[in-house]
Amino acid sequence: QVQLKETGPGLVQPTQTLSITCTVSGFSLTSYYMQWVRQTPGKGLEWMGFIRSGGSTEYNSEFKSRLSISRDTSKNQVFLKMNSLKTEDTGVYYCARDRPIYYYDGYYHVGYVMDAWGQGASVTVSS
Amino acid sequence: DIQMTQSPASLSASPEEIVTITCQASQDIGNWLAWYQQKPGKSPQLLIYSATSLADGIPSRFSGSRSGTQYSLKISRLQVEDTGIYYCLQRYSNPWTFGGGTKLELK
Repeated sequence: QVQLKETGPGLVQPTQTLSITCTVSGFSLTSYYMQWVRQTPGKGLEWMGFIRSGGSTEYNSEFKSRLSISRDTSKNQVFLKMNSLKTEDTGVYYCARDRPIYYYDGYYHVGYVMDAWGQGASVTVSS
Repeated sequence: DIQMTQSPASLSASPEEIVTITCQASQDIGNWLAWYQQKPGKSPQLLIYSATSLADGIPSRFSGSRSGTQYSLKISRLQVEDTGIYYCLQRYSNPWTFGGGTKLELK
C-alpha cells in the first residue's frame, strides 16, 4: 500500500528555515520522482520542485534561491528545506509521488503524473 | 510561465446533473494536463491524466477532453460525494502550474 506522510515543525519564525520530512512506504524512492507542492491562502496550489529517482533535482525558479530538496533512500525519506521564510509562506506543504505515464500519438511520449499525495504538513510563519 | 485559467470559480448543481469545468492554457501544452479533486482538509486526489485518461479507481462518470488549448472535466450524473474543489495542472513545462480551482457544491 502506497503511503506518504509529511512531518514538519508547525510554527516557524520569519527569516528562519523550514524543514519538512516526507516518509514513504509501499514503493521505492529509487524508482519514482518525488514532488513538493504547497497550498497557500494567497497563491493556491504551487509546484515547488522535485527530486528524480536518480537523485538530481529541479526547482521552480520562484523558490530556487532558497529551496533545497534531498533524500535518504535508506530511510525512505525525502526532505524539503526552505530558508528566509516570510509570512506569505504560511500554508500546507505536500509531497507527492510522480508516476511515469506513456502516450502514443504516432510518436511515443513519456510524462509524469502526481498520483499519490501525503496528507500535508501545515506550516505557520509567525513571530 | 504557462497560465492556466480555470472556470467557473464556483458552481452549484443538483444531483444527477451534468457539470463541466474548463481550463484554458496560455499556450500549447499538448495532452499534459491532469485534473484533481480536493475535499476540505484533504490532499488533492488524481482524477484524470494525459487530458483524457481516467485514474485508477475513479468512477466513469468523470471524463476529460481537449479542444486545442482548452481542457474540460465533465462529471455526469453528479453525486453528493463529488462536492469539493477541482484543479487542473499542466505538466508541459517547468514550472508546472495549477488552475485557480473550481468549487463545486450540490444544491
